[in-house]
Amino acid sequence: DTGVSQDPRHKITKRGQNVTFRCDPISEHNRLYWYRQTLGQGPEFLTYFQNEAQLEKSRLLSDRFSAERPKGSFSTLEIQRTEQGDSAMYLCASSEKTRTYNEQFFGPGTRLTVL
Amino acid sequence: QKEVEQNSGPLSVPEGAIASLNCTYSDRGSQSFFWYRQYSGKSPELIMFIYSNGDKEDGRFTAQLNKASQYVSLLIRDSQPSDSATYLCAVSPPRGGADGLTFGKGTHLIIQP
Repeated sequence: DTGVSQDPRHKITKRGQNVTFRCDPISEHNRLYWYRQTLGQGPEFLTYFQNEAQLEKSRLLSDRFSAERPKGSFSTLEIQRTEQGDSAMYLCASSEKTRTYNEQFFGPGTRLTVL
Repeated sequence: QKEVEQNSGPLSVPEGAIASLNCTYSDRGSQSFFWYRQYSGKSPELIMFIYSNGDKEDGRFTAQLNKASQYVSLLIRDSQPSDSATYLCAVSPPRGGADGLTFGKGTHLIIQP
């Protein structure tokens, strides 16, 4: 069982550039979540998918943020026109629909630095 | 605004002692409760979850839940230096647990050798 993977692990970009992050969930997990974590804070929920359906996206931080999961497997999170305030750790988590209490397992995260 | 509150610490505990970490939550309808451990620079790792009042034990860890008081705690027995980390309390929403978790800011635990 290979855990949740994320790519890249680190990304440095200049303000105004677009960035895209990828998440591959645990293979039998059909729920996938994106969170953002800044220094000294707990993870902040952004959006989630059940299979390919995006069931919650109102928590995305602005219209510059978007996420997709086109085939119900991996997911991408895109940030357009990055700002310095977007610098954070972006975490992906997955869970299995049949698990009653929705235990979520996190990937290693992508650390974004916007210069 | 649904909130999860934790004392940020640091909480310093001697090796071999019991570490007690506490969390309160504001949404009375919350269904299940999670404790994650996060080492510096790493992602959160699930260590326990609990959904009914009372205690749940797993090895050196015991989670305690009191829904009437909206209070969750984590006890770590026989604390080891490797337990030094930030412990995040997380709560699932009321309507069925399929949405994202709400996290506290975490408690920084230091186990002194």
